[in-house]
Amino acid sequence: GAVVSQHPSWVICKSGTSVKIECRSLDFQATTMFWYRQFPKQSLMLMATSNEGSKATYEQGVEKDKFLINHASLTLSTLTVTSAHPEDSSFYICSARDPQGSKNIQYFGAGTRLSVL
Amino acid sequence: KQEVTQIPAALSVPEGENLVLNCSFTDSAIYNLQWFRQDPGKGLTSLLLIQSSQREQTSGRLNASLDKSSGRSTLYIAASQPGDSATYLCALNAGNMLTFGGGTRLMVKP
Repeated sequence: GAVVSQHPSWVICKSGTSVKIECRSLDFQATTMFWYRQFPKQSLMLMATSNEGSKATYEQGVEKDKFLINHASLTLSTLTVTSAHPEDSSFYICSARDPQGSKNIQYFGAGTRLSVL
Repeated sequence: KQEVTQIPAALSVPEGENLVLNCSFTDSAIYNLQWFRQDPGKGLTSLLLIQSSQREQTSGRLNASLDKSSGRSTLYIAASQPGDSATYLCALNAGNMLTFGGGTRLMVKP
């Protein structure tokens, strides 16, 4: 099956710094990738849809200047949490859709745990 | 807007018991429905995917059903084991995005 790699798996940073999370599709080209956030004991909430070569589409309530998304190639999307604060501490998960597949399936990365001190 | 509800939110059963997890949704215009497993602090593992035209899918001890007319899906786990302890999430795919339910936290006691 299709594989999505997410890096890093865990990051601790100081308040005010920026953190970049990478999401790669390893064996397929993903024109569309998705970024989700999950708070403890809660479900996944879609933050934004990332389209290769164009601007990301953000869900209501998600600050686009806070969460910068870049999808410069068909296999890589990055999420940068700018000027991170403790309330940004969360589990971030990406997924990618294989356009060749007929089942409209999203393949998920393993997630990144962000802890802001 | 699609709303997905999972009941119960938490479930504790003794080992060996058969159990059913429920997922209900408000909009039946979907491409597929997927059940995931999530272990604490980990990502998602896809368990079963049911296409809109299908009514059920089976994999080992797992069976998932889909009834679009009533807006319901169930995940049946047979002969539960302690290793089945995890959070189970259902997600509806309407084409552009997945909408997740709140999950059911399952604990199987030995």
